[in-house]
Amino acid sequence: QVQVQQSGPGLVKPSQTLSLTCAISGDSVSSNSAAWNWIRQSPSRGLEWLGRTYYRSKWYNDYAVSVKSRITINPDTSKNQFSLQLNSVTPEDTAVYYCAQQVYSYGHNWFDPWGQGTLVTVSS
Amino acid sequence: DIQMTQSPSSLSASVGDRVTITCRAGQSISTSLNWYQQNPGKAPKLLIYAASSLQSGVPSRFSGSGSGTDFTLTISSLQPEDFATYYCQHSYNTPLTFGGGTRVEIK
Repeated sequence: QVQVQQSGPGLVKPSQTLSLTCAISGDSVSSNSAAWNWIRQSPSRGLEWLGRTYYRSKWYNDYAVSVKSRITINPDTSKNQFSLQLNSVTPEDTAVYYCAQQVYSYGHNWFDPWGQGTLVTVSS
Repeated sequence: DIQMTQSPSSLSASVGDRVTITCRAGQSISTSLNWYQQNPGKAPKLLIYAASSLQSGVPSRFSGSGSGTDFTLTISSLQPEDFATYYCQHSYNTPLTFGGGTRVEIK
């Protein structure tokens, strides 16, 4: 059974970098049948997919246009985890952030499991 | 980007009621549609994938149907633990997008 466990600070100052980590158990970040995603949720924006990293003979990343200039998602194979960095944050980046596995099977894909969520507040 | 529109945004129902939630995609997505349940303070939980496949461990009172642009999530007999918010999500391409949610409340 795959589990993902998030960690990281809940308070970030404006203009600084938001950093979160998602530790994986029960699967590998290098799996050829999964992708590793970050999603956030706020009252104003609802559930918003931010991006993903995945391995298919080499590493790939996809990012949402809304954050593409500020986001980096990196795998860490030595620790079997992946991370989110979001630069130059503003109060509009205040949200609950989730990591999630994207499972691929029989031509379809879905998010399962999800991390427990981290409320990140951007405030001085 | 593929826009996902859910209706209604909220509904009130009683235990035992049959409840139907609809989700419309801005373009055809075949059956690349997933449904999630979210309780307050918790992460979304997968209920249905590929439009109609029930995730393991999810009660059989939940069912999904549809293809192309129009999809439905049905709860055949609402139970107390089903009062939650439900989201659809397309998995057709990136960016992956979610509907705005349907909050199911106790009547």
